[in-house]
Formats: sequence, C-alpha cells, structure tokens
Amino acid sequence: EDQVTQSPEALRLQEGESSSLNCSYTVSGLRGLFWYRQDPGKGPEFLFTLYSAGEEKEKERLKATLTKKESFLHITAPKPEDSATYLCAVQAVGNEKLTFGTGTRLTIIP
Amino acid sequence: GAVVSQHPSWVICKSGTSVKIECRSLDFQATTMFWYRQFPKQSLMLMATSNEGSKATYEQGVEKDKFLINHASLTLSTLTVTSAHPEDSSFYICSARSRTDYGYTFGSGTRLTVV
Repeated sequence: EDQVTQSPEALRLQEGESSSLNCSYTVSGLRGLFWYRQDPGKGPEFLFTLYSAGEEKEKERLKATLTKKESFLHITAPKPEDSATYLCAVQAVGNEKLTFGTGTRLTIIP
Repeated sequence: GAVVSQHPSWVICKSGTSVKIECRSLDFQATTMFWYRQFPKQSLMLMATSNEGSKATYEQGVEKDKFLINHASLTLSTLTVTSAHPEDSSFYICSARSRTDYGYTFGSGTRLTVV
C-alpha cells in the first residue's frame, strides 16, 4: 500500500527564515510526486510535479527536490503570504489515484 | 492554466434532504474526475473516481447509494449527497485530470453543513 508521511506537522518561522518541509514516501513504482498548497477553506493549488530522483523544480521562493525515498520543499526567505498548508501526494505507476500526506501547516510571522 | 469550477462553495441543508455539488473543468477535457472529503486539519480522503460515461469507482467504506456520482461529459461531474445527516457535514473537493498533460487540478471545495 502506498504511503506518504509529511513532517513536521506544523512549522512557525519568522519572515525571512528559510527552512525545509519533508515528504517521505513508499510506493510500488513512482509515476509522479506532487506538491500542493492549500489555504483555509480552499482547494489545493498545484505547485510542482517531480518524476524521477535527482529532479529539482523552482518557483519563486519555493524549490522542490526528489530522492528515491523522499522529497523536500525548500522555502527561501519566506513571506507572510507563504503561510498555508503544504500537501505532498504520490501517484503510482499504473494508478490514476493520488495518495496524500497529512500536510505541513506553515505559518510565517511578520 | 487549467481551471476547475466547483459549486456551490458552501451549502446548508436540513437532515434528510439531498444536496448536489457540481464540478466543471472550464478550459480542458478531463479523462477522470475525483471526489475527496476533508475533515478539519486532516488530509484529503479519496471517495470515488469517475470516468465520463462510466460508473464511478468508490473507495472502500464509501456508501455508493449515499454519495451518487454522475460524470455526464468530459467537463462535468456531480456529487449528490442523498438523505444527508449531520455526520455528512464536511469539506468536499473535486479534482479533474487533463487528458492532454495528465495534470490534476482541484476545485475550490464545497463546505456542506447538515442541520
């Protein structure tokens, strides 16, 4: 059974304080690993898809990396508007379903 | 970018009544649509997967007679919560998968409150 574990559960940072969020996964053949941002009362907003170990993608202050066992979402010099829950999900080969982790609630303090 | 419209964004209904939630892909055709349920401070739980013109596939433990899914076209899927009860109160989110780039786009969610 595919599993996704995210840590930490919650993270509070001062504005400008860089950090990383972790997503560990076990899957029977990785088709893709997805990162989403979710604001309260909203649906998930797509950030990145990673397909193979060693792949990296960047968008503004966010950078996602992937190994064979885990993915990291690095946030550099965050701003208060980066506060949200960040969700990680995996898709297994031959399966359309996504398996989600429980998310990391990120709070950036001005 | 791909956009999925979900309506209504919130609804309050009386116990015993039915509620329909609509999920529409606005600028792309979806091979598959997914329906999720999310409890406060918890992650998304997949309820069912639907393909256009086919019966939905429900996850284990999800009552198919309570949560009716209709996928009438490549751009529209509906979830009907039948004979709703307070325990059905939750945040429901749909997702559509593009038949071109195979990305997953989520709707903005529907907050259902059953009183």
